[in-house]
Amino acid sequence: AQTVTQSQPEMSVQEAETVTLSCTYDTSENNYYLFWYKQPPSRQMILVIRQEAYKQQNATENRFSVNFQKAAKSFSLKISDSQLGDTAMYFCAFTDYYNQGGKLIFGQGTELSVKP
Amino acid sequence: DTGVSQNPRHKITKRGQNVTFRCDPISEHNRLYWYRQTLGQGPEFLTYFQNEAQLEKSRLLSDRFSAERPKGSFSTLEIQRTEQGDSAMYLCASSPSSGQGTYEQYFGPGTRLTVT
Repeated sequence: AQTVTQSQPEMSVQEAETVTLSCTYDTSENNYYLFWYKQPPSRQMILVIRQEAYKQQNATENRFSVNFQKAAKSFSLKISDSQLGDTAMYFCAFTDYYNQGGKLIFGQGTELSVKP
Repeated sequence: DTGVSQNPRHKITKRGQNVTFRCDPISEHNRLYWYRQTLGQGPEFLTYFQNEAQLEKSRLLSDRFSAERPKGSFSTLEIQRTEQGDSAMYLCASSPSSGQGTYEQYFGPGTRLTVT
């Protein structure tokens, strides 16, 4: 079975600094997608960034970037210049789209607090 | 487009009662997913539809749970004879099945169910 593991239940960072959230996953598939979702205290899940497994280049979206290590099955999220609005739960998610219709398998989440 | 909407946002019910939740996806999205999220955990997949066809159900979805998407637009999730263990946030998400954003799911705000 495919699994996603986030080993950091909580993290904190000072405003304007950089923080990295870790995620590992397990799959025997070669083609899949990985995502980071953000869930602020209001609880609506928002897509932050996605990575296609067939792409070697790491995805970036403004202050958010990933370090995708396919062989190590690692997918970390780096947030640069942290802002107070980045305070949220962050979930790493995996989908084997071709075989499983796009359903997402989520990690347990990392609660990030950005401190002023 | 106003995004994915869910109603009601909160539901309190007594054990043994039936409840029904509604999800309205983004209009051009033909895939619709239901997830359940308990406090401090990542969402867990329940079921998904492509148009009106229910293509997969999780083993988490006991016989007391049923989901429909009769015209391929909105979906309902019904829980019969609710139990205290059903207390959770029920999330709905939608995505297109082709074209841009195929692998990205957009979430609604969720329905928080409390069974007393």
